Amino acid sequence: DAGITQSPRHKVTETGTPVTLRCHQTENHRYMYWYRQDPGHGLRLIHYSYGVKDTDKGEVSDGYSVSRSKTEDFLLTLESATSSQTSVYFCAISVPGQFVTYEQYFGPGTRLTVT
Amino acid sequence: DQQVKQNSPSLSVQEGRISILNCDYTNSMFDYFLWYKKYPAEGPTFLISISSIKDKNEDGRFTVFLNKSAKHLSLHIVPSQPGDSAVYFCAARRETSGSRLTFGEGTQLTVNP
Repeated sequence: DAGITQSPRHKVTETGTPVTLRCHQTENHRYMYWYRQDPGHGLRLIHYSYGVKDTDKGEVSDGYSVSRSKTEDFLLTLESATSSQTSVYFCAISVPGQFVTYEQYFGPGTRLTVT
Repeated sequence: DQQVKQNSPSLSVQEGRISILNCDYTNSMFDYFLWYKKYPAEGPTFLISISSIKDKNEDGRFTVFLNKSAKHLSLHIVPSQPGDSAVYFCAARRETSGSRLTFGEGTQLTVNP
């Protein structure tokens, strides 16, 4: 258990509204990621962070922004939600160690529906 | 450009038999490969991994094989159990991308009792 929680777990929102998803971890790991999962596409990286205020874009970052003001929290914001952003969103952390295995540990996910 | 591809969206096997899940990649810069399992309404969980300097890694019922010349990896589950029914994702790490991973589309495995 990597101590990752995501909130909310489910959300329905209307097109054009802003939405913020929260990822919280309890073990102060530096590396955090946001993915979206869609049928036929697997998991695609939206944004990632290597530390407080150190974030960068992933492969599908358009329409999304992130913030990391504390080690334990990584926020994903949809400034103006669109129906194409209906998806399941996963937060993940990685724990580089002595033997680098690049494993990432995932939260339970947030199912977002944009109507 | 799907650099990691799982061509079979689904696979069905009988309990006790072998399950073989396949994954192909196009980027020769990938140097580490991982398999994840995902149950409905849960996050993916790490299953097994392999470095590009190896061609096989085994952990209990799970074995991953890597064929670098063919840019192909496979996950073997022997014997398959009904609890193995899940979506399986392969993932790859590129040398120049730090800890970021590229995932395939996933394969739904169903193990029938």
